[in-house]
Amino acid sequence: QITLKESGPTLVKPTQTLTLTCTFSGFSLSTLGVGVGWIRQPPGKALEWLALLYWNGDKRYSPSLESRLTITKDTSKNQVVLTMANMDPVDTATYYCAHRLSSGNFFDYWGQGILVTVSS
Amino acid sequence: DIVMTQTPLSSPVTLGQPASISCRSSQSLVHSDGNTYLSWLQQRPGQPPRLVIYKISNRFSGVPDRFSGSGAGTDFTLKISRVEAEDVGVYYCMQATQFPWTFGQGTKVEIK
Repeated sequence: QITLKESGPTLVKPTQTLTLTCTFSGFSLSTLGVGVGWIRQPPGKALEWLALLYWNGDKRYSPSLESRLTITKDTSKNQVVLTMANMDPVDTATYYCAHRLSSGNFFDYWGQGILVTVSS
Repeated sequence: DIVMTQTPLSSPVTLGQPASISCRSSQSLVHSDGNTYLSWLQQRPGQPPRLVIYKISNRFSGVPDRFSGSGAGTDFTLKISRVEAEDVGVYYCMQATQFPWTFGQGTKVEIK
C-alpha cells in the first residue's frame, strides 16, 4: 500500500526559506521509472505543479519557480525534500507530494497535504 | 506552457443524472512515446486530489465504472453516467505530456 505524508512548518515569514519533507512507504525511489512530485493549491484555487524527482536523480521544475525551488531525495529514509526560497504571502497554499507511477506520467497516490501560511 | 481549459466551471446535477466535463488543451497531448498523458482528478471537499482516470480513458483502481473518459489530441471529456452524492467535488484535468505539467481550472460538481 502506497502512502505519502508531508511535513514541515505551517507558518513561515516572508523572505524565509520553506523546507517540506515527503515521507513515503509502499514503494522505493530506486525503482526504475518511479518519481515523486510536489503540487500546491492556494486556498480556493486550482492545483499547480511545482517539481518532480525521478528514481535516477533527474529533476524537473516549474519554470516560473525554478530559481526558488530545490528537490532532493534521501532514498535510505524514503524521503523527498522540497525547499522554496524567498517565501511570499502569495505562496500561501496547501502543498502536496504525490507518487508517479513507473509506467506513465500521472500521479496515482497523493499525500494529505500541508497548509503553509506565509505571514509576518 | 500547455494551457488546460475546462468547461463548465460549475455543474449542478440531479442525483442519478449524468454529468459531463470538457477539457481542452492548447496543444496536442500526444507524447513522443505514443501515449497521451491526460488524467482526471477528483477532489472532494477538504480532501486531497484522487486519481480517477489516466491516459484519457483508464479508470484507476477502485474507481466506479460510472466514471469514463474519452477524447484525443486536444479535446477530452470526463463523464459520470449517474451522479451519486459521493461524487460531489471539484474535478481537474491534468496534462503530463510536456513540462511543466499543468492542470485545468477545475469544475465543481454539485447536487441541485
